Amino acid sequence: QQQVKQSPQSLIVQKGGISIINCAYENTAFDYFPWYQQFPGKGPALLIAIRPDVSEKKEGRFTISFNKSAKQFSLHIMDSQPGDSATYFCAATSGPYNTDKLIFGTGTRLQVFP
Amino acid sequence: DTAVSQTPKYLVTQMGNDKSIKCEQNLGHDTMYWYKQDSKKFLKIMFSYNNKELIINETVPNRFSPKSPDKAHLNLHINSLELGDSAVYFCASSPQPPYEQYFGPGTRLTVT
Repeated sequence: QQQVKQSPQSLIVQKGGISIINCAYENTAFDYFPWYQQFPGKGPALLIAIRPDVSEKKEGRFTISFNKSAKQFSLHIMDSQPGDSATYFCAATSGPYNTDKLIFGTGTRLQVFP
Repeated sequence: DTAVSQTPKYLVTQMGNDKSIKCEQNLGHDTMYWYKQDSKKFLKIMFSYNNKELIINETVPNRFSPKSPDKAHLNLHINSLELGDSAVYFCASSPQPPYEQYFGPGTRLTVT
């Protein structure tokens, strides 16, 4: 019940296209859903996060869509650029105690070709 | 003005050796973490400290011992290194655990 399932494992998109990565969870107590971006040789960087009280959050070209009833959330990258090529991780946690853990998905390797 | 830093960046050592990885954060956060990222890029928490106190201790071999001399530093000491310890180890910190975790650049440990 603590798992976060992420798909697809890899994604190839042409420049200017829309990249969509999906995650699903079981634990209805989860209340924070971040996405991390990791470039080769670097640490994961917090990209955008959402709480379950909203269905969508947008920051620039990055949008999280959240479906509470389906227990799913997704990352949409509009106008994908070669510089977006990285591994993306979804995550979830129940909070707010410091004993709570961030549970990560298995990652999606995104390649954007010019 | 690096937020979360780790040293060394790369660590190559032989089986049976003991090694340490150091982490420092200048964000003023009270909580720090160690994560392990395996060859398939799966990220798993190992430990967390809140203001120098051990809070989370996952099922990690007791060859791994974290130490937090102060709330800005969290070190990881590994005894009797094994081949399976080869991975990338990330330090992270959070102003409000478990939310908003900020990761360091990682230490790639290779055990030969």
